[in-house]
Amino acid sequence: EAQVTQNPRYLITVTGKKLTVTCSQNMNHEYMSWYRQDPGLGLRQIYYSMNVEVTDKGDVPEGYKVSRKEKRNFPLILESPSPNQTSLYFCASSPTGTGSSGVGYTFGSGTRLTIV
Amino acid sequence: SQKIEQNSEALNIQEGKTATLTCNYTNYSPAYLQWYRQDPGRGPVFLLLIRENEKEKRKERLKVTFDTTLKQSLFHITASQPADSATYLCALNSGGYQKVTFGTGTKLQVIP
Repeated sequence: EAQVTQNPRYLITVTGKKLTVTCSQNMNHEYMSWYRQDPGLGLRQIYYSMNVEVTDKGDVPEGYKVSRKEKRNFPLILESPSPNQTSLYFCASSPTGTGSSGVGYTFGSGTRLTIV
Repeated sequence: SQKIEQNSEALNIQEGKTATLTCNYTNYSPAYLQWYRQDPGRGPVFLLLIRENEKEKRKERLKVTFDTTLKQSLFHITASQPADSATYLCALNSGGYQKVTFGTGTKLQVIP
């Protein structure tokens, strides 16, 4: 089944303890992206990647890091998490970064992250 | 500043009627506009993508229009069903496909 898999689904952790949220897709998509979703603010883009070793900032990149060493994986790293990073996080992928395929993004099921 | 507005936070409609959702934007020149459906606790699901040079796109009971002069997209669900109840998000890609901005969504409730 074609899908984007995120892990973990839920995580409660403490301020300052480094964490990684993994994202993997099995569709050979070039483009991958991370979002956070907060009530009243909607989905906001954190980082995106056009292909292996090519990443760039979205609208809210502060406090986050990403890497794209392999095409299928795009982990989100919080080096020193703070309570304002408590949110619902989504990873998504798409065949290309150009929109020429006419196909939108395939989203993962989400990771609910709580930082206390 | 750039802004995306979806007409209302919630919309109630009778089963069988056509639901019309609105997405307005300012200070964008979007190359693409997308619509997604999101159910509680789930990731958004892609529905339709329309390009800046397209006026209308259809898929089964769904229809999207895109008016770059009015800076508005309309999303229609004809013959609505209770199973269509969900939050619907519009998303704009400007300056390419890479960067995307989502609206906050309209929660649609279809009443039997």
